[in-house]
Amino acid sequence: EAGVTQFPSHSVIEKGQTVTLRCDPISGHDNLYWYRRVMGKEIKFLLHFVKESKQDESGMPNNRFLAERTGGTYSTLKVQPAELEDSGVYFCASSLLTSRETQYFGPGTRLLVL
Amino acid sequence: QKEVEQDPGPLSVPEGAIVSLNCTYSNSAFQYFMWYRQYSRKGPELLMYTYSSGNKEDGRFTAQVDKSSKYISLFIRDSQPSDSATYLCAMSATGGGSEKLVFGKGTKLTVNP
Repeated sequence: EAGVTQFPSHSVIEKGQTVTLRCDPISGHDNLYWYRRVMGKEIKFLLHFVKESKQDESGMPNNRFLAERTGGTYSTLKVQPAELEDSGVYFCASSLLTSRETQYFGPGTRLLVL
Repeated sequence: QKEVEQDPGPLSVPEGAIVSLNCTYSNSAFQYFMWYRQYSRKGPELLMYTYSSGNKEDGRFTAQVDKSSKYISLFIRDSQPSDSATYLCAMSATGGGSEKLVFGKGTKLTVNP
């Protein structure tokens, strides 16, 4: 069974540009999460989709971040315009709808904003 | 005060040593406690999962939860060089699969052969 995949693995952009990150969850997982780890800090929650609906977006830092999950399958996270402080590793995770156990994480996208 | 505190280390031990990792937390609503292992340039992978207080053992790994002290631990027996990784504690209130996880900073462990 394929795990959570994320694309791209790395992205280097200049301040003010736009970047779109993609996450493909494990097939059949209705829960999809985005997290971010800024250097030196802990992994922090950004938002949670249940199927195509945003269940919790309390962790989104500001309106420069836009997440979508069309059709309840893959998700995209767009940062526009990117700022220096957006640099970090963006993780996606997924889980079954009825799961009380864990989330399965992807390898992350390393974003560097110059 | 952070919700979850974890000493980032680094921690370096000889092969075969017993390793003790721990986290403290402030949110008494947390009931689900997890330990993730993260190798360099990889995503976190679940190592141990416990609900409420008590112990759970899985091979060389033992997870302990003391809710009265808001303290969780992970013990690794007979540590191996392959255990070298960053260990992250994570917690949630209503179940790790159904809501956001709150992470500690992670402890970087190196097991020397």
